[in-house]
Amino acid sequence: RKEVEQDPGPFNVPEGATVAFNCTYSNSASQSFFWYRQDCRKEPKLLMSVYSSGNEDGRFTAQLNRASQYISLLIRDSKLSDSATYLCVVFSSGSARQLTFGSGTQLTVLP
Amino acid sequence: GAVVSQHPSRVICKSGTSVKIECRSLDFQATTMFWYRQFPKQSLMLMATSNEGSKATYEQGVEKDKFLINHASLTLSTLTVTSAHPEDSSFYICSAREKKTSNNSPLHFGNGTRLTVT
Repeated sequence: RKEVEQDPGPFNVPEGATVAFNCTYSNSASQSFFWYRQDCRKEPKLLMSVYSSGNEDGRFTAQLNRASQYISLLIRDSKLSDSATYLCVVFSSGSARQLTFGSGTQLTVLP
Repeated sequence: GAVVSQHPSRVICKSGTSVKIECRSLDFQATTMFWYRQFPKQSLMLMATSNEGSKATYEQGVEKDKFLINHASLTLSTLTVTSAHPEDSSFYICSAREKKTSNNSPLHFGNGTRLTVT
């Protein structure tokens, strides 16, 4: 089993739709969680950190469920500019591999 | 905000030559930097973790003699692809975490280097 698994995608949604991605992690000692977005042929850029209490930034909401060991990203009112690959990143101190990336979920928002 | 500068952004070299890629943290100190490789339509793959003042830790399957990493200061790590071959053509990205912050501090990425070996 992979340490971090993401929805395989791709997700093709119409403009204005709400879309959600999940990411599960296997290391219960994982400490920090982030969502990054990566545009084609560019470096990943931090979208938001994920906290246990959940956090919201405009149209984006991130949630962490430690009991079930998953994080989620919800995008409301999708825009064409949201088209990208979304990566979840898990940081676990003390483990052999501290930073683990999910394989990414590709989102295409259609006009 | 924290910025990581990576140079060069694009390089084309001939097979058999070596290429050095620099990764600098511009306004923070990074004891640890990470080097990734990404092939087209694939996810980031961690190659090695670079620790300031000590040897890098390489992921399984990554040849340390081919991908030389030097982390000589708290703001600079370099990756040298030695005797490059066409199959080394890829997108190489570095990232760094701030030294003094908590576990919630995110990674900051360089803008990547697109290497093409002819």
